Amino acid sequence: DQQVKQNSPSLSVQEGRISILNCDYTNSMFDYFLWYKKYPAEGPTFLISISSIKDKNEDGRFTVFLNKSAKHLSLHIVPSQPGDSAVYFCAATSKYTGTASKLTFGTGTRLQVTL
Amino acid sequence: DGGITQSPKYLFRKEGQNVTLSCEQNLNHDAMYWYRQDPGQGLRLIYYSQIVNDFQKGDIAEGYSVSREKKESFPLTVTSAQKNPTAFYLCASTLKGGGNTEAFFGQGTRLTVV
Repeated sequence: DQQVKQNSPSLSVQEGRISILNCDYTNSMFDYFLWYKKYPAEGPTFLISISSIKDKNEDGRFTVFLNKSAKHLSLHIVPSQPGDSAVYFCAATSKYTGTASKLTFGTGTRLQVTL
Repeated sequence: DGGITQSPKYLFRKEGQNVTLSCEQNLNHDAMYWYRQDPGQGLRLIYYSQIVNDFQKGDIAEGYSVSREKKESFPLTVTSAQKNPTAFYLCASTLKGGGNTEAFFGQGTRLTVV
């Protein structure tokens, strides 16, 4: 049962345009969401997060939007740069999992930013 | 520099052998995790540990074992019971807390069964 879904395995965007990566979740207990960026043969690196008490969080070129009623979040990258080309994972967690921050990951979306 | 170190980067295992993947962190994090990544799939949790000398099974613990004798170290043993061990293994750590903390990941170990 995939509790966090990224339905687009890949996305191609031109440099300078907006990249929008989507993520859906099914578990109503999730109250904290994170985006990670991963290059091949490397570990994921944290990008941005959002708590369920907010509907938007912005950090430079990256903005995450959360729609709790739709159980949907999205990552916007504006403007997109070639260095943004990577696999992006959406992850979710719940305070009800206890003190460990168990993250449930989506399957990832490969973003390619073209010149 | 603080961080998580996984070794080796590449590991080859013969059928029927046990192998141990190393994970060390100097971030003073309480919780540590092992994930497995397969092509086209997300990261799946194998085991996690919230404190020293304690650990819990994740979603795909069968065929794996762990220990947490020191706060800094969380080695993963892939046993011969794991039927499909070829994968990319990632170790992570987080501060102890209410769950709202980001995980820091190591660079990963690619295990191949030959």
